[in-house]
Amino acid sequence: DQQVKQNSPSLSVQEGRISILNCDYTNSMFDYFLWYKKYPAEGPTFLISISSIKDKNEDGRFTVFLNKSAKHLSLHIVPSQPGDSAVYFCAASVLSGSARQLTFGSGTQLTVLP
Amino acid sequence: SQTIHQWPATLVQPVGSPLSLECTVEGTSNPNLYWYRQAAGRGLQLLFYSVGIGQISSEVPQNLSASRPQDRQFILSSKKLLLSDSGFYLCAWSVGYSNSPLHFGNGTRLTVT
Repeated sequence: DQQVKQNSPSLSVQEGRISILNCDYTNSMFDYFLWYKKYPAEGPTFLISISSIKDKNEDGRFTVFLNKSAKHLSLHIVPSQPGDSAVYFCAASVLSGSARQLTFGSGTQLTVLP
Repeated sequence: SQTIHQWPATLVQPVGSPLSLECTVEGTSNPNLYWYRQAAGRGLQLLFYSVGIGQISSEVPQNLSASRPQDRQFILSSKKLLLSDSGFYLCAWSVGYSNSPLHFGNGTRLTVT
């Protein structure tokens, strides 16, 4: 049972345009959401996060939107750059005891074309 | 600043052999520590997490075990590897309680032959 789903395995975008990556979740107990970027043979790098009490968080070119009623999360990258080409994972989190457990989606390969 | 070290970067082991992967964190005290695995074409699956020395929580029953002998050291082990243990193993740390992200090491690519 996949609690976090990224239904698009790949996305291609022209340089300078907007990239929109989507993520859906099923568990209403998730209260903290994150996006990670991953290059081959490296660990994921944290990009941006959002708490369930917010619906938007912005950091430079990256904006994350949360729609709790739809259980939907999206990451906007504007403008997209070739260096943004990587696999992007969304993750949803619930506090279990004193540790946050992250449940990851299967990832979306973003390719930004020059 | 905090850093996380994970080794080895790649490992090829025969079926039935033992495994020991090590992870250490610098620059923070009493971190939460995690082991994740990424199978080919899949997302990251939580295997174990630890909130303190000697405290290990297992998420997926399997052929692996974890130990935390020191505050900033986390070890993933197996007595006898299976072919299905092949994958990309990632160690991560976070601070406790707050809405803080996990920070990952660079991973170990394990191939069981």
